[in-house]
Amino acid sequence: AQSVAQPEDQVNVAEGNPLTVKCTYSVSGNPYLFWYVQYPNRGLQFLLKYITGDNLVKGSYGFEAEFNKSQTSFHLKKPSALVSDSALYFCAVRDMDTGFQKLVFGTGTRLLVSP
Amino acid sequence: GAGVSQSPSNKVTEKGKDVELRCDPISGHTALYWYRQSLGQGLEFLIYFQGNSAPDKSGLPSDRFSAERTGGSVSTLTIQRTQQEDSAVYLCASSPNPAGGYEQYFGPGTRLTVT
Repeated sequence: AQSVAQPEDQVNVAEGNPLTVKCTYSVSGNPYLFWYVQYPNRGLQFLLKYITGDNLVKGSYGFEAEFNKSQTSFHLKKPSALVSDSALYFCAVRDMDTGFQKLVFGTGTRLLVSP
Repeated sequence: GAGVSQSPSNKVTEKGKDVELRCDPISGHTALYWYRQSLGQGLEFLIYFQGNSAPDKSGLPSDRFSAERTGGSVSTLTIQRTQQEDSAVYLCASSPNPAGGYEQYFGPGTRLTVT
């Protein structure tokens, strides 16, 4: 079965510092990987995705993610964190098993950026 | 353009009552998904509609849960004889063509509280 793991429940970082939110995946075949962000009392917003091509993917709000096949990881990064980046972040992988195209989500990582 | 909309935004119901949650996907999107997000948890897949194909109901937690999609557009998630463990945020998402690796666009969710 396809799955993603987000090993950190929470990440704390000071404003202006670089941030990393970790995600590892387990899939059969080539993965389609996604990052979403959820602000309080809001639905999920798409940040970026990896399907094929360059391992470094750039997305919304200055975020980027690096696909690493050997480490089966897809960590989310940002060079300089903002307080407004504080939110819940979800990694997801496309579920190939059933032939349908639903996403399997990780449990989420809460990012807290302090002023 | 208009995003995914869900109604109601909040619903409080008594245990044992039936509830209906509505989702209006983005116009033209062929795929529609329902997820459940419990407090402190990740997203739990419930059901997936793709065009005129039979829906993938593999995530529905019990036969008290059902969903339909009329005319390939609006969807209704029905929970019969609600239980306290049904309390959660129910998220709807749509996608133009998931086979193409397109991301899902989420609505703001319906917060269901069963008392």
